Amino acid sequence: DGGITQSPKYLFRKEGQNVTLSCEQNLNHDAMYWYRQDPGQGLRLIYYSQIVNDFQKGDIAEGYSVSREKKESFPLTVTSAQKNPTAFYLCASSQRANTEAFFGQGTRLTVV
Amino acid sequence: QQPVQSPQAVILREGEDAVINCSSSKALYSVHWYRQKHGEAPVFLMILLKGGEQKGHDKISASFNEKKQQSSLYLTASQLSYSGTYFCGTEMDRGAGSYQLTFGKGTKLSVIP
Repeated sequence: DGGITQSPKYLFRKEGQNVTLSCEQNLNHDAMYWYRQDPGQGLRLIYYSQIVNDFQKGDIAEGYSVSREKKESFPLTVTSAQKNPTAFYLCASSQRANTEAFFGQGTRLTVV
Repeated sequence: QQPVQSPQAVILREGEDAVINCSSSKALYSVHWYRQKHGEAPVFLMILLKGGEQKGHDKISASFNEKKQQSSLYLTASQLSYSGTYFCGTEMDRGAGSYQLTFGKGTKLSVIP
C-alpha cells in the first residue's frame, strides 16, 4: 500500500540531546513538509522541500534541521537549540504544489 | 503567515449547518481544507484553486474568493461524524517555483445529538 510513514510514534529524549524523526513516503511525491502541532496553535510549518537536495525554511525553522537526499525520505532533526521541543510532529507529502497533501500518523516527542 | 480561521470553536446539534471561514493577507494560489479527529492525522477534504471556484462533495462544500483572499467551508445537515478540528491550508507562491503550504490554527467543531 502507498502511504507516508513516520517513526517512531512516541519518542522520549533527555534535554540537550539531538533527536531525528523519520518520514518516508512511497507515493513518488515531489513535495514533503514538516509541521509542528501544539494545542491551540494549529499546524506550524517547520521546513518544506519540493525537490531532492533542496529545502526551504518554514515559519518556525529555528532549532530544527532537515535533509532531502532521496525523494522518498525527509528526516527532521530536533536540535538542542530548540527551546521547547516537546510537541506532536507531522510529516506530509504531495505530488506537487497545489495538490492534496497526505499526512503521516505523527510522532509525539517528549523531552524531559 | 498563518491564515486566520474563524470561529475558533463551534457546537452544533445534528442536522444544523455551519460555516468556517479562512482569510489571508497574502495573495493565494490555492486553499486546502482538512479535518483532523483527535489523535489522528489530518484528512484531505478538498482543494480550491485560483479562479473563485466552488467545490463540494456530499454535504460539505467550499468557496474561494480570490480577490478577498478568503475561503469558506460550508457544512450542511451536520452529522456526528463531522466532529473534529478543521484546518484551512493556503499555498502562496514564494517565487522560483516554490509554494509554501501553511495552515491556520483550526476550528474545533463538535456535533451533539
